[in-house]
Amino acid sequence: AQKITQTQPGMFVQEKEAVTLDCTYDTSDQSYGLFWYKQPSSGEMIFLIYQGSYDEQNATEGRYSLNFQKARKSANLVISASQLGDSAMYFCAMREPMKTSYDKVIFGPGTSLSVIP
Amino acid sequence: NAGVTQNPKFQVLKTGQSMTLQCAQDMNHNSMYWYRQDPGMGLRLIYYSASEGTTDKGEVPNGYNVSRLNKREFSLRLESAAPSQTSVYFCASSVGAAGANVLTFGAGSRLTVL
Repeated sequence: AQKITQTQPGMFVQEKEAVTLDCTYDTSDQSYGLFWYKQPSSGEMIFLIYQGSYDEQNATEGRYSLNFQKARKSANLVISASQLGDSAMYFCAMREPMKTSYDKVIFGPGTSLSVIP
Repeated sequence: NAGVTQNPKFQVLKTGQSMTLQCAQDMNHNSMYWYRQDPGMGLRLIYYSASEGTTDKGEVPNGYNVSRLNKREFSLRLESAAPSQTSVYFCASSVGAAGANVLTFGAGSRLTVL
């Protein structure tokens, strides 16, 4: 079964510094999608960034970039120039390969990021 | 612009009681999902529906049933609630096509089973 691992339960970063949140995944398929979501203390789930397994370039969205290393099965989120508002839980997620369960999306356990002034 | 609406927002049940969590989306999405969130466990998929009329088990389906009533609505039922089902439940929807398939989430429903 597909699985997502996030090995950092909690992370601290100084304001204005960059931080990398780790995500590794397990799949035997070649076609899949990877996501990062943010959950602030208010509880809502916010989509940040997406990477398709066939995308040759790493995805970027503003201060967010996804460091995709397919051979290592890792999809780390890089947040540049951290802001106090970045303090939140961050979840890595994977879309199940199309040939099995087309629309199944599973999540990792999350990393709690705290930005220090 | 309601997006995904979940009801109720909060519920307290006694062990053995039943209840239904309601979810509706107004974005004409094909796929809908139910997740539960517990501390340290992330979001775990309970059931999902890739299209109207179809439902599939996720990672933790035991103790739950679902109904995809129509394209808009996807309900989650607890027939006999147990304390282990105390959790925050999220409904989500997506277009369902290949590619990004970004999930739009509801605000969550906090359920406590005593």
